Amino acid sequence: EDKVVQSPLSLVVHEGDTVTLNCSYEVTNFRSLLWYKQEKKAPTFLFMLTSSGIEKKSGRLSSILDKKELSSILNITATQTGDSAIYLCAVEAYSGAGSYQLTFGKGTKLSVIP
Amino acid sequence: DGGITQSPKYLFRKEGQNVTLSCEQNLNHDAMYWYRQDPGQGLRLIYYSQIVNDFQKGDIAEGYSVSREKKESFPLTVTSAQKNPTAFYLCASRTSGAPIRNIQYFGAGTRLSVL
Repeated sequence: EDKVVQSPLSLVVHEGDTVTLNCSYEVTNFRSLLWYKQEKKAPTFLFMLTSSGIEKKSGRLSSILDKKELSSILNITATQTGDSAIYLCAVEAYSGAGSYQLTFGKGTKLSVIP
Repeated sequence: DGGITQSPKYLFRKEGQNVTLSCEQNLNHDAMYWYRQDPGQGLRLIYYSQIVNDFQKGDIAEGYSVSREKKESFPLTVTSAQKNPTAFYLCASRTSGAPIRNIQYFGAGTRLSVL
């Protein structure tokens, strides 16, 4: 059974702090790892990672995949209150007959206090 | 406006009642998915469909049913057999096939509660 584990499950930081969120996985037929941000409703896409060691960056957010360790981290520097959200890690795997499925972790709830 | 539309935003179900959640997309995506999210849990896959008139069970299909009569539409029925239906339901869609840049996009969700 495919499995994705995120840590920590929740985190409270002050504005300006840097945070690192972790994701590890055990998945058959791995294709990619995705990070989503969920505020109130729909998860919104942040990054897709497919190759080890290549850092994806968008403003203050960055992420890297380690395929040897079967893990990924999401870094947020200079956090702002608008970063408060649940961050979901998902791994996409090929499930046969041309179909791809995501397995999600439980998410990390980040709260940034002024 | 391109995207995925879920309706209603909030839904209440009475004991023994079937309810249907709507999901429509105008992204011309082949694959559509239904997930359930409970507090403190990640998203769990209920059903998915790769093409019209075909769908597959996910990890927690019991008590749910779907249809895919049109490419744009993938409604989910929560039947009376689902004893614990209170949750946040998310619909997603994705272009089928190999291209690695294809990702799942999500609707805004329907929050279902039991009266």
